Parts: sequence; C-alpha cells; structure tokens
Amino acid sequence: GAVVSQHPSRVICKSGTSVKIECRSLDFQATTMFWYRQFPKQSLMLMATSNEGSKATYEQGVEKDKFLINHASLTLSTLTVTSAHPEDSSFYICSARGTGVAYEQYFGPGTRLTVT
Amino acid sequence: AQKVTQAQTEISVVEKEDVTLDCVYETRDTTYYLFWYKQPPSGELVFLIRRNSFDEQNEISGRYSWNFQKSTSSFNFTITASQVVDSAVYFCALSLEGETSGSRLTFGEGTQLTVNP
Repeated sequence: GAVVSQHPSRVICKSGTSVKIECRSLDFQATTMFWYRQFPKQSLMLMATSNEGSKATYEQGVEKDKFLINHASLTLSTLTVTSAHPEDSSFYICSARGTGVAYEQYFGPGTRLTVT
Repeated sequence: AQKVTQAQTEISVVEKEDVTLDCVYETRDTTYYLFWYKQPPSGELVFLIRRNSFDEQNEISGRYSWNFQKSTSSFNFTITASQVVDSAVYFCALSLEGETSGSRLTFGEGTQLTVNP
C-alpha cells in the first residue's frame, strides 16, 4: 500500500520557538494532505486541509497564523508550529490522498511534539 | 454535518472472549464511506476496513468482522477470540464523497480496548 512518512517522529522544543513537521508521500503523488491533532486520550481532530499549490483550508478555531501549512509539491506538506507554547504539545498526524478514488487516505506515523 | 459516535469509551475483556465495538453515524448524504482504524500505543493509525454506503454486506477478515446496517446507521466491529495484541484504541470514521468534502474524515471518540491475559 501507499506509504506516508513524517519527520521528526518526536520533537521537544522550548516555549516561543517554532517547529516544522514534514509529511511525505513516498510512493504516490498526494494532491491533498490533511493535518490532524490528537491530545492524550482524545480523538483525532482535523486542523487543516492542504491542496498542492494552493492555500490550506483551516478548520474553525485553528489559527492559521500559528499553524503554517505549506504544500509545495505533490509529495511534501509541512506544518510549522510558530511560537509554540506548552498547550501546543500534542500528537500531530498527517494523511495524504492520492489522485485516485476520493476516499483513499493514507496516514503518517505521527509526530509527538512536547513544548517545555 | 457528519457525526460519528462510539459510545463505549473503554472495554476490558479477558483473552479469547469475543468483543463488539459499536459505531453509530449521522449524515444526510446518501453516498459515504465508513472506516475502522486501530491505534496501538505507538500511535500510528492502522487501517482495518473501508465500506461504502451502497455495500451493506457484512465482512469477515480472520478474527475480525464488521456488521453494517443502514437502517440503524451502525457499523459495528467484532473481534472474536480476542488476543492481548488486540489491545489498542479503535476509531470509527466517516467520509463523504466529492471534491467539496475533500474526503475529510470525521472520527468517533474512539474505544480503548484492553485484552487481559
């Protein structure tokens, strides 16, 4: 099946700094990528949808200036958490949809962000 | 708007018991897709099954089986002869067809399954 990677898998940063998370589709072209956030013992919440070459669409309540998403190519999307704070500590998961049928979505392994 | 409800927050069973995880969904669309994912402690989501709204046939895959009933808007998941390795959080999810939705997934709250030896 299709493979999606995320880097880094874990990151610890200090409050006030920015962190970039990469999401790559390794063996297919991803026209659409999704970014989810998952707090401990909670479900996945969609943060934003990004389409290659265009601006991301953010879900209600997600600050677009804080969570910068760039989908510059068909295999790479990045999420930058700017001026991170401890409340941004979470598990961030990306998924990618190929150019085929609408419902196929492949998940990355996730990135655990800890802001100290 | 779409909604997925997994009423069982936590389930604990003893190995070899059968266990059913419930999933109830809400949508006004006639074309949609239902999913089950497993999330072990490592965090990575493992895809288990996808069902489209026009296919109500039940499915069996090894110890796993799924019962899809449109009449009750349910898509339940049964594990027979459970094993310790089945311990994980299981998510039910719903997706709509069409470019406007972008295949965005709506997840349920998840059910933490613990299988004790």
